[in-house]
Amino acid sequence: EADIYQTPRYLVIGTGKKITLECSQTMGHDKMYWYQQDPGMELHLIHYSYGVNSTEKGDLSSESTVSRIRTEHFPLTLESARPSHTSQYLCASSDSGRTSNQPQHFGDGTRLSIL
Amino acid sequence: SQQGEEDPQALSIQEGENATMNCSYKTSINNLQWYRQNSGRGLVHLILIRSNEREKHSGRLRVTLDTSKKSSSLLITASRAADTASYFCATDTGTASKLTFGTGTRLQVTL
Repeated sequence: EADIYQTPRYLVIGTGKKITLECSQTMGHDKMYWYQQDPGMELHLIHYSYGVNSTEKGDLSSESTVSRIRTEHFPLTLESARPSHTSQYLCASSDSGRTSNQPQHFGDGTRLSIL
Repeated sequence: SQQGEEDPQALSIQEGENATMNCSYKTSINNLQWYRQNSGRGLVHLILIRSNEREKHSGRLRVTLDTSKKSSSLLITASRAADTASYFCATDTGTASKLTFGTGTRLQVTL
């Protein structure tokens, strides 16, 4: 199994709260990603990073923000949670690779439920 | 619309049978990857096939790629109950380090 960790695994919280989902990897990968996935559905990329101090928005618009101050750490923050944010959030990382995208390694996800 | 669409959406077979799932995509790719996701877990990379390859094997897995038809298939031979999971294809179009995931096939292997 890959060394990428997400906390918490489950979070149930009220509307309006600020939330930070943590993601850490110990593989020294430059690239990191956040995906949103509803149960049984496809993954949607919401944020990615090429390396330290690099962040980009993904294909699916999201009210969340991310930061990449250290290579190993890529937290995702929701300033004011709403019921529409209820979903599973998956973090992934990959090596840079010279020519094309390398396989991504995934954490086990955070299942977020906003009441 | 999705870059990758998978077919069937769900598949139920008995242990020992082969399982085949298909992935179609729309634009040119650098490579195509297959992932497995067990219930409540993250995705696990299974196999990567480059655009200049036609077939690739890894243990009980066989992947084919037909770039003229923009399609790929994943064959799992002699399936086991532990193969029960969702399987996703993901395409690398060379755009900004991103993969685009398909809609997934849910495989159920019964004893």
